[in-house]
Amino acid sequence: NAGVTQTPKFQVLKTGQSMTLQCAQDMNHNSMYWYRQDPGMGLRLIYYSASEGTTDKGEVPNGYNVSRLNKREFSLRLESAAPSQTSVYFCASMAGNQPQHFGDGTRLSIL
Amino acid sequence: GENVEQHPSTLSVQEGDSAVIKCTYSDSASNYFPWYKQELGKRPQLIIDIRSNVGEKKDQRIAVTLNKTAKHFSLHITETQPEDSAVYFCAAKWMRNTPLVFGKGTRLSVIA
Repeated sequence: NAGVTQTPKFQVLKTGQSMTLQCAQDMNHNSMYWYRQDPGMGLRLIYYSASEGTTDKGEVPNGYNVSRLNKREFSLRLESAAPSQTSVYFCASMAGNQPQHFGDGTRLSIL
Repeated sequence: GENVEQHPSTLSVQEGDSAVIKCTYSDSASNYFPWYKQELGKRPQLIIDIRSNVGEKKDQRIAVTLNKTAKHFSLHITETQPEDSAVYFCAAKWMRNTPLVFGKGTRLSVIA
């Protein structure tokens, strides 16, 4: 039981490049989330998926897209990376009002 | 929607003393209140949670209290140890399919 798995763990991009962050959970949770955390700051919600087939914007969705591929997988895409998107990205999953579990994060640097 | 405010933003205590972090929420319909601990460079991890039908919950040195009337909840850590040093986040959830709303975090430093 791995919980929430994120890939890659580290990535360096050049401005304008695109990439997709992958997230998978094996806890049969309905809801999945993408957050970003800038140095010394709190968690900001980018997008979430309350259930398979639905996605909704969070607090900071601009510059990102998401896909809920199936119940297990929720990906985050940066179409044209900008330095302001340098951050640590956390994926999380949750079922109802049960505890939310986080992945280990992806550390993304955009030059 | 829900709004969660967390205080203080930083807290320093001597080893062995108690630490208290407070959060207030805006939506009286919120019914689930977790607390997360995040060590440097690590993911947030759940340390304790409480639901709206309970006023207090304890787990060894950690306790959470909930005051639904005043719409606030607090984390209490007793007999603090250096390994308690971390950033702590509170959160609230008001409907089944809505996301957790997090406070901005409290950086706790336990001084040996």
